[in-house]
Amino acid sequence: DIRMTQSPSSLSASVGDRVTITCRASQGIRNDLGWYQQKPGKAPKRLIFGASNVQSGVPSRFSGSGSGTEFTLTISSLQPEDFATYYCLQHNSYPWTFGQGTKVEIK
Amino acid sequence: EVQLVESGGGLVQPGGSLRLSCATSGFTFSTYWMTWVRQAPGKGLEWVANINEDGSQKYYVDSVKGRFTISRDNAKNSLYLQMNSLRAGDTAVYYCAIRYSDYWGQGTLVTVSS
Repeated sequence: DIRMTQSPSSLSASVGDRVTITCRASQGIRNDLGWYQQKPGKAPKRLIFGASNVQSGVPSRFSGSGSGTEFTLTISSLQPEDFATYYCLQHNSYPWTFGQGTKVEIK
Repeated sequence: EVQLVESGGGLVQPGGSLRLSCATSGFTFSTYWMTWVRQAPGKGLEWVANINEDGSQKYYVDSVKGRFTISRDNAKNSLYLQMNSLRAGDTAVYYCAIRYSDYWGQGTLVTVSS
């Protein structure tokens, strides 16, 4: 199974900060990776697909990069509505696996 | 408008069974792979199973193999998850989703407890 190691597990940041979240795959997954945002009690929302493609309707402050084993989600200027938990998901091979999640909290 | 609505969750005793349903509308169901994902209380997301367009290909996470069965009825635009031999560790909110998309249901809670 491919293990997705996501870091950090949590972070505190202020509105306007630049935030970076990383996922590392235990083996190469090309660009078969998505990033999801989840707020309490809600279904996940996909932000990025194909490692770097922004989902339609997602603000441009969200971006993704990486290929192979190292991936990054960047929020260029954190907004109040961005406080949530973020997950990466690899769909290169079965079983699909999520990262452990990164909780972004208000500083 | 694309809609996915899960149902069938509830409280069940260890060793029991439940069948989850996901009613869909707003897209051509028979042309899409579908997915089940779950989330235990206070925990992260876990992929559970995928099924292809005609139901001939099915994939599962190891922890549910032999106990859970994903299926679909394209005439009814519905996805199912038959869950047998349930364990406490299966307690979670179960979401259905269109594979590789941003379309998810609202989730249904399954609680396995005596």
